[in-house]
Formats: sequence, structure tokens, C-alpha cells
Amino acid sequence: NAGVMQNPRHLVRRRGQEARLRCSPMKGHSHVYWYRQLPEEGLKFMVYLQKENIIDESGMPKERFSAEFPKEGPSILRIQQVVRGDSAAYFCASSPPGGLSYNEQFFGPGTRLTVL
Amino acid sequence: AQKVTQAQTEISVVEKEDVTLDCVYETRDTTYYLFWYKQPPSGELVFLIRRNSFDEQNEISGRYSWNFQKSTSSFNFTITASQVVDSAVYFCALGGFKTIFGAGTRLFVKA
Repeated sequence: NAGVMQNPRHLVRRRGQEARLRCSPMKGHSHVYWYRQLPEEGLKFMVYLQKENIIDESGMPKERFSAEFPKEGPSILRIQQVVRGDSAAYFCASSPPGGLSYNEQFFGPGTRLTVL
Repeated sequence: AQKVTQAQTEISVVEKEDVTLDCVYETRDTTYYLFWYKQPPSGELVFLIRRNSFDEQNEISGRYSWNFQKSTSSFNFTITASQVVDSAVYFCALGGFKTIFGAGTRLFVKA
């Protein structure tokens, strides 16, 4: 059973470009979470999604960031007009359906975004 | 508010020494989960343990052991006979859909 997959693993963008980060949850998992890890810091929650629904996006910056988890296909974290401060590792996690399943989050390997 | 504090920013030990990583948490929830993760230099997150707040038994897994003390809101992690491969950043986390991570403790194990 494949784990959570993220691609690309490394992404380099110039200031002002768009970054698209993909996350394929584990098979059977319907909940996806995105976290950001700035250099030398712990992970910070960004957004929690279920299929076609954003459940909580309280950790998302108000501008330029968006996330989706369509009925078919991977979850996408999109960052428009990237700035140097967006350089970070972005981790995706997934969990199975069920009431407290968020306590069974499985993390992907992360995407390291570098903004030049 | 929920919070996880890892007061030790960096720890350096010599191989075969025992080392304890401290974790103190704050939550108003009566039921919660606590986690430890390892982040080696390659950058991925490696799950180490999950503990339910109702289960205060200490746990041992090989050279790893965890001491959960609800009375002091602590969930400390001990590595016995450390090895160079243990060098990594270790994160303690408080569960929930917004899992709250501590800032991490960077462990250096020197040969």
C-alpha cells in the first residue's frame, strides 16, 4: 500500500511565478491536510480538506494561497505570485474517513519550494 | 490555547550516551493524542509514536522509550545508547486536525 505521495519533491520558482504542489493521499483516505515548515521551525497547519470541501483553512495566508481536493485526482496547493518568504517545505498528510481519524495522519515526504 | 514546547533547541551527545528530549504541552481537551516524529537530514517526517491521553503507561520500543506524565503535561522521549544515525530533528506534536508541532530539538550524536 503506497504511502502519501507528493510531487514534485523539489520546486524552484522565480519571484512572481506560480507554484503548484500536488498530494495524492493514501488509498482509502478522504481527508487531506497541508502543513508548512519554514527553515529551522516546526510544521504549521495550513488547511484541512475533504473531497470537494475545505473544512478549515485558518492557517492559510489570506492572499495568494489556495487549496483544493477535487473529486478525482490529487489535492493541489497553489501559491500565486510567489515571494522569497514562501520558500519552505510543504508537507501533506492524509487520514482515513471517520470521526477522530485526524489523529491518524500519515505524512508525505514533502515538497521543498525555493523561490529565487 | 493549544501549545507544544520543546525547550531544548539543540542537544549534542557522544555515541552510546543516553539522551532525553523534553516535551511539554498545553490543551484544554480531555481527550487528545500526542506524537513524536523524527526528521532526518533528508527532510522527511518519520512517525515514531502516538499516545492517547487515557493511556499513561510508559512505552519502550528498542532503544526508544517514552514517559507520559499527564500530571505535568509532559511527554518525554529517551534514546538509550544513542547512535550516529539518531542525529536528526525530533518533533513532539499534539494531535487534532490542526496538529500542533513543537519547534523541534536538533540532536547531534558524535562518533
